[in-house]
Amino acid sequence: GAGVSQSPSNKVTEKGKDVELRCDPISGHTALYWYRQSLGQGLEFLIYFQGNSAPDKSGLPSDRFSAERTGGSVSTLTIQRTQQEDSAVYLCASSLDRGSSGNTIYFGEGSWLTVV
Amino acid sequence: AQSVTQLDSQVPVFEEAPVELRCNYSSSVSVYLFWYVQYPNQGLQLLLKYLSGSTLVKGINGFEAEFNKSQTSFHLRKPSVHISDTAEYFCAVRMRSKAAGNKLTFGGGTRVLVKP
Repeated sequence: GAGVSQSPSNKVTEKGKDVELRCDPISGHTALYWYRQSLGQGLEFLIYFQGNSAPDKSGLPSDRFSAERTGGSVSTLTIQRTQQEDSAVYLCASSLDRGSSGNTIYFGEGSWLTVV
Repeated sequence: AQSVTQLDSQVPVFEEAPVELRCNYSSSVSVYLFWYVQYPNQGLQLLLKYLSGSTLVKGINGFEAEFNKSQTSFHLRKPSVHISDTAEYFCAVRMRSKAAGNKLTFGGGTRVLVKP
C-alpha cells in the first residue's frame, strides 16, 4: 500500500488478556516506530527499529510490552496481561533513515485499544 | 534530553481569521523541528519541517512556521483559516545527531476549533 497500514483499527479486550497490534510500514522504509497516544499523556514514544540494529526500547512502559520486527518489514506490538491504563491509540510510523534524521516520519491511522 | 512545550491546549478561532500556534523547545543538542496535524479519527500528517536554511518554512494547506533559535521557538501560523482546519496540531523535535537517538519528541498538542 501507499501508506503505513495498521491492524486492527479497533480492539476491545478484557483486562488480563494479551493483545497483538500489527504494523505494515511503507515499502522500503528501514526505520519503524511505535507511539502511544492517550488522554492526558499526549504522544509517547515506545520503541524504534532501524534495519538490523538493536531496537531502542527506552519508551516501553513495562515488561508487559514487547515488539518485534520480522524480516525488516512488518512489526507486531504485544501487550501482555492488559490493564485499563493500556487503553489508548497505538500509532505506528516509518521513515527512510539513510544517514539523515531530517527525513519525514509517516504515521499510520492507529489501532484504538480499549481494555474493559 | 529534549522537551517541547505547546503553550495553548485549545485555540478557538473564527473562519477566515488568522491563527498562531505557539511552540517552544528545549534541547542540549541541535534539533530538527516539525509540525504535524491530526484530523479527527485519523493519524498524524506532516505539515512542515525545518531542517536548515531559511528560518521561514512554508508547508501544506497554507501553513507556515518560523524558527527562532534565540527564543528556541517554532510557532505555526496561517493567515486565514477554514472550517476544515479544525484539528489537533503537534509540534515535535528530533535530534540532528542520529547517534544521540532518532525518535520524535512531541509537544502536548493544540486543539484548533474553527467557528463559522
